[in-house]
Amino acid sequence: ELKVEQNPLFLSMQEGKNYTIYCNYSTTSDRLYWYRQDPGKSLESLFVLLSNGAVKQEGRLMASLDTKARLSTLHITAAVHDLSATYFCAVRPWGQNFVFGPGTRLSVLP
Amino acid sequence: EAGVAQSPRYKIIEKRQSVAFWCNPISGHATLYWYQQILGQGPKLLIQFQNNGVVDDSQLPKDRFSAERLKGVDSTLKIQPAKLEDSAVYLCASSLDSKETQYFGPGTRLLVL
Repeated sequence: ELKVEQNPLFLSMQEGKNYTIYCNYSTTSDRLYWYRQDPGKSLESLFVLLSNGAVKQEGRLMASLDTKARLSTLHITAAVHDLSATYFCAVRPWGQNFVFGPGTRLSVLP
Repeated sequence: EAGVAQSPRYKIIEKRQSVAFWCNPISGHATLYWYQQILGQGPKLLIQFQNNGVVDDSQLPKDRFSAERLKGVDSTLKIQPAKLEDSAVYLCASSLDSKETQYFGPGTRLLVL
């Protein structure tokens, strides 16, 4: 059974600081998705990583994928309050369906 | 482009009652998903449709949950009878095909008393 883990589950950080969220998964997969969810809202797609070594950046967020290590990272640079949300990674291995991680609840403090 | 529409947005029912949720995906999206998101957890896939056929319903509790997608467009998810543990947000998502990015609707928040 595919398992997707995220670390940390809760993150409180100061504005202007950098931090990395980790997503580990247990089965080979060549694509990984990152989503953002604001409280009481639905999920918004952030990144789709399609191959080993893929790196994508949007604003203060940068995501990367290492399929050999079964690891994706979401790096936050110079955090601002607007980034406060829950971040989910999701994996869809070949022949299987989407499995989401438990989410990382990020709180950026002034 | 209009997003994924869901209704109702909120529903409160008593246990053993029935409830139905409706989803209208983005126009042209062949793949439609229903997810259950319990508070504090990630979404869990209940069922996936490709056009009007079921691709994966392995995690759908079929003794009480049912879903259909008539004509390959709109979809309904029904729970009959509801249990307390069904309290969750039910999210509908659609994508162009099964490998593409999913676009999520606003969700239906269900509370079973």
